[in-house]
Amino acid sequence: LAKTTQPISMDSYEGQEVNITCSHNNIATNDYITWYQQFPSQGPRFIIQGYKTKVTNEVASLFIPADRKSSTLSLPRVSLSDTAVYYCLVGGGRDTGRRALTFGSGTRLQVQP
Amino acid sequence: DAGVIQSPRHEVTEMGQEVTLRCKPISGHNSLFWYRQTMMRGLELLIYFNNNVPIDDSGMPEDRFSAKMPNASFSTLKIQPSEPRDSAVYFCASSLGRGSIQETQYFGPGTRLLVL
Repeated sequence: LAKTTQPISMDSYEGQEVNITCSHNNIATNDYITWYQQFPSQGPRFIIQGYKTKVTNEVASLFIPADRKSSTLSLPRVSLSDTAVYYCLVGGGRDTGRRALTFGSGTRLQVQP
Repeated sequence: DAGVIQSPRHEVTEMGQEVTLRCKPISGHNSLFWYRQTMMRGLELLIYFNNNVPIDDSGMPEDRFSAKMPNASFSTLKIQPSEPRDSAVYFCASSLGRGSIQETQYFGPGTRLLVL
């Protein structure tokens, strides 16, 4: 199974760029990489998804190297409101099953003024 | 769209009582997921449905838990009898359900359950 490994926590200051790396050494050919964000007392919210190279949207960028064994979520110029838990999920396709829905422990990002 | 709707938002009950959690997915979504979140175990998938049919219920803790989806716009998660260790936040999520399990999921606000 494509288990994911993320740092438990990270600290940053407002205005800085934050990069959170997720390791997924056993990623399968058909797997996608998806990141969710969860604020306290709320359900997770989709941030970004990618398969290879780089994906960018209005919220974040996702960098995926050629071997796809890791991925990095990049949050540009974070603010206090980016304080949350960030989850990396790996899976995809019809045969993935519940392993694509394994949220793991996530990375707790604390942004300070 | 109102998003995924869950009720109640908070539930306090006594051990041994039956608890029913309700979920209304986003209209047009064909997949529905029930999760449980605790500090100790994180966010765990309990069961998911596609086109009202349970696809994987291997995450349901034990026979005290049951889930149904009688139609495309409603699902319930029932705990009977409830125990203190069932205290958690229960999330419902839905997705388009076009086939890929990796589709974007939209989560509801959750039901915070406390079993005394």
